[in-house]
Amino acid sequence: RKEVEQDPGPFNVPEGATVAFNCTYSNSASQSFFWYRQDCRKEPKLLMSVYSSGNEDGRFTAQLNRASQYISLLIRDSKLSDSATYLCVVNRVSGGSYIPTFGRGTSLIVHP
Amino acid sequence: NAGVTQTPKFQVLKTGQSMTLQCAQDMNHNSMYWYRQDPGMGLRLIYYSASEGTTDKGEVPNGYNVSRLNKREFSLRLESAAPSQTSVYFCASSEQLAGAVTGDTQYFGPGTRLTVL
Repeated sequence: RKEVEQDPGPFNVPEGATVAFNCTYSNSASQSFFWYRQDCRKEPKLLMSVYSSGNEDGRFTAQLNRASQYISLLIRDSKLSDSATYLCVVNRVSGGSYIPTFGRGTSLIVHP
Repeated sequence: NAGVTQTPKFQVLKTGQSMTLQCAQDMNHNSMYWYRQDPGMGLRLIYYSASEGTTDKGEVPNGYNVSRLNKREFSLRLESAAPSQTSVYFCASSEQLAGAVTGDTQYFGPGTRLTVL
C-alpha cells in the first residue's frame, strides 16, 4: 500500500457544484498535513494546511480524521478557475526533521 | 524577492551524459528538497537537506547526487543520465525551524523539464 493515496479522478463537475476529495495515509505517526494545488505544467502551491480541528478558507474546507487516517478537501460553489490537480501532503518526522510525502493528486475539471 | 529559482528550464541529454540542476532560494530557508514528477506518479522525493551541511536520501535517490553548497543553493547531479530519468524536476524549500516537529509550507521552483534520449 502506498504511503499516501488519492483517487486520481478526474472529477468533472459543473460550475457551482460542491466536490470533495479524500486522501488516505498509512503511517499513523504522520505529524502534519497539507493540500497543494498544481496547475498544468506549473509548480505546486500551498492551498491550505489541515488542522486537527478542521479549517476553512473561503469556499475551501479541510478536515483531518486521525482515527481513520485520512484528510479531506471540500470545495463549495466550484469556479472554472478551480480546475487543477489537488495534491495532499503528509509529513512524518525522521531525525528531528519532517519528511513530506505527496499523493499522486486528484484532477478536478470544472465546466460551464 | 525571487523565491525559488531553478536552472535550466529545459534540457535534453543523451544517455550517459552528465549534468547538474541548479536551485537557489532567497527566503533564508533551512530546508531544501529535490523531487521528480512523472505522469500518474505524483511528486517523489529524491533527496533533501534539512539544514546547511546535511543531505539525506528520499524515496528515489538512485542515479542522483546532491550538494548543499550553502544555505541558499542545493544542486542535483545526474552522473550518467538514463532514459528512466526523463521527468520534470522540482526544487523546493521550507523554513523548518531547527527541532520543530510541525511541518510548514514548501515553496517550489518552476521546474526543469529533462529529456534523456
